Amino acid sequence: DAKTTQPTSMDCAEGRAANLPCNHSTISGNEYVYWYRQIHSQGPQYIIHGLKNNETNEMASLIITEDRKSSTLILPHATLRDTAVYYCIVRGVSGGYQKVTFGTGTKLQVIP
Amino acid sequence: EAQVTQNPRYLITVTGKKLTVTCSQNMNHEYMSWYRQDPGLGLRQIYYSMNVEVTDKGDVPEGYKVSRKEKRNFPLILESPSPNQTSLYFCASSLYPDRGRGYTFGSGTRLTVV
Repeated sequence: DAKTTQPTSMDCAEGRAANLPCNHSTISGNEYVYWYRQIHSQGPQYIIHGLKNNETNEMASLIITEDRKSSTLILPHATLRDTAVYYCIVRGVSGGYQKVTFGTGTKLQVIP
Repeated sequence: EAQVTQNPRYLITVTGKKLTVTCSQNMNHEYMSWYRQDPGLGLRQIYYSMNVEVTDKGDVPEGYKVSRKEKRNFPLILESPSPNQTSLYFCASSLYPDRGRGYTFGSGTRLTVV
């Protein structure tokens, strides 16, 4: 299974866009990029996923580079409630699907 | 409501006393998995199950057992708990194939072994 690397922590001013990067240089062709977030010690919550095209939903946007070796999660207007740990993972539809490594994620602090 | 339910939420036990943490999902998911979370180490996978009677080890399986006799349930068993198993545990489930819906996580079980 492909591994990901993320910065340990980031700050973002309230109301500004938060851009969280993730490197997944060993991603294979059938693996999706998923983003989750964990607020305090709650169970992680799904945010968004993508294969190679950029994606947007009501929570965030996901930008995946053309070579698929990295991606960026964008929270367009960060609020204090977005303060959380954000995890980027890769997961295949088949093969490498079973074992999924979450790593330590990026701790995002939204500052008033 | 679609959810993954873990019990108990909190548990304090003594070294060597067998315990089971239950996990149940109501979404008819094929895939289920257990993770432990420790400070500075992120979420580490303990065991996973692709379907009934199909289980396999994750990254940190030592000291744990699982079973998958029914599709909805995936209990985590600690036959002889030790203090190094003090941790926050999460159960998760998903469809298989995923179809892009990702994991649904339980609320967690905070286990303390003294």
